[in-house]
Amino acid sequence: DVKVTQSSRYLVKRTGEKVFLECVQDMDHENMFWYRQDPGLGLRLIYFSYDVKMKEKGDIPEGYSVSREKKERFSLILESASTNQTSMYLCASRSNYGYTFGSGTRLTVV
Amino acid sequence: KNEVEQSPQNLTAQEGEFITINCSYSVGISALHWLQQHPGGGIVSLFMLSSGKKKHGRLIATINIQEKHSSLHITASHPRDSAVYICAVVSGSARQLTFGSGTQLTVLP
Repeated sequence: DVKVTQSSRYLVKRTGEKVFLECVQDMDHENMFWYRQDPGLGLRLIYFSYDVKMKEKGDIPEGYSVSREKKERFSLILESASTNQTSMYLCASRSNYGYTFGSGTRLTVV
Repeated sequence: KNEVEQSPQNLTAQEGEFITINCSYSVGISALHWLQQHPGGGIVSLFMLSSGKKKHGRLIATINIQEKHSSLHITASHPRDSAVYICAVVSGSARQLTFGSGTQLTVLP
């Protein structure tokens, strides 16, 4: 069965910390995505990558960066976490047959 | 105006009822996903449609490309169907997803 794995289900970090959210897929997909989900705002695209070392900004990239050094791994980086980045973060990968989603990481910044 | 509109936002049903969730969109699309999200966050893709109708167990999804409308039906609903159901359309040259705001379904025993 195809899988997208996010390394943490729950994270609590302090304001100003550097935070890494990891996402790994085992399907050899070229396209990977990071979204955040907030009540009333739904799912919004932060960044996506269509190949190793390639990245594109989504709708809300401010305060985030990404890294794609290997095809299977797409990392979301919060350089200096802030309380407004408290959210559910979802990773996804895509093939011609559709999207596969991870289980999500609920990040709380205190 | 959102590109993807879902209705209703909230739906409560009794076990066994037939349920319909609707999704309308305003952009040209190449495909449409119906997603299910249980408490705890994990999202599962139920269907990907580009035309017609698909069925999986008690779930049926239909799409009308001309009318820019899709429906998700659940027959013989069960409390374990309680979840948020999200419509998402695939559009643009980058084939990105645009999501509806979701429908919270609660099925009571």
